Amino acid sequence: QLVLTQSPSASASLGASVKLTCTLSSGHSSYAIAWHQQQPEKGPRYLMKVNSDGSHIKGDGIPDRFSGSTSGAERYLTISSLQSEDEADYYCQTWGTDIQVFGGGTKVTVL
Amino acid sequence: QVQLVESGGGVVQPGRSLRLSCAASGFTFSTYAMHWVRQAPGKGLEWVAFISYDETITYYADSVKGRFTISRDNSKNTLSLQVNSLRPEDTAVYYCARGPLYSYDSRGTFDIWGQGTMVTVSS
Repeated sequence: QLVLTQSPSASASLGASVKLTCTLSSGHSSYAIAWHQQQPEKGPRYLMKVNSDGSHIKGDGIPDRFSGSTSGAERYLTISSLQSEDEADYYCQTWGTDIQVFGGGTKVTVL
Repeated sequence: QVQLVESGGGVVQPGRSLRLSCAASGFTFSTYAMHWVRQAPGKGLEWVAFISYDETITYYADSVKGRFTISRDNSKNTLSLQVNSLRPEDTAVYYCARGPLYSYDSRGTFDIWGQGTMVTVSS
């Protein structure tokens, strides 16, 4: 079964960095994923696609301080130079031919 | 600019129906697969349904299969979701989202999202 696992919360100080993790279920370590940001009371926003080789393709207008990487079945989103507007929920997403799956989301708090 | 705008939400009694719409603009709607995704209050995102760019292929989450129907009118740049036999657990914000170009299956991410329309199922 295709499942994505995320930690419920993360925090870091203004100007610091935070690294979020999304773990693919057993047998699915070759899958690409995508990251989406959802600021309070807003719709989600596509950030990037992260491939199994660690390459990533960002959406239009996404700042350079957002980056993606991979290690085995784990996919990462790193936010550098944290800004107050980065305080949001972050969801990872993956897919099969007839299904889409979301992780439970990570709430990022900027201290 | 590229935009998706949902409408049609509201308060409805259990067992009743509703039709949600999503108006697309700023891109060639007929060439992209489309999805519906929902979010219950205080909860995470849940994928609901997929439709291929040419409306020949549709897929549904198990939780809505047999009750919801996704469709599109490429001449009107509009995506729809007919929601029947509504249950309290269907209460959520419903988002439309753009899938990949010329896609016949659900693979691929969503690169454009709408702002959502709220559906509340309550007696």
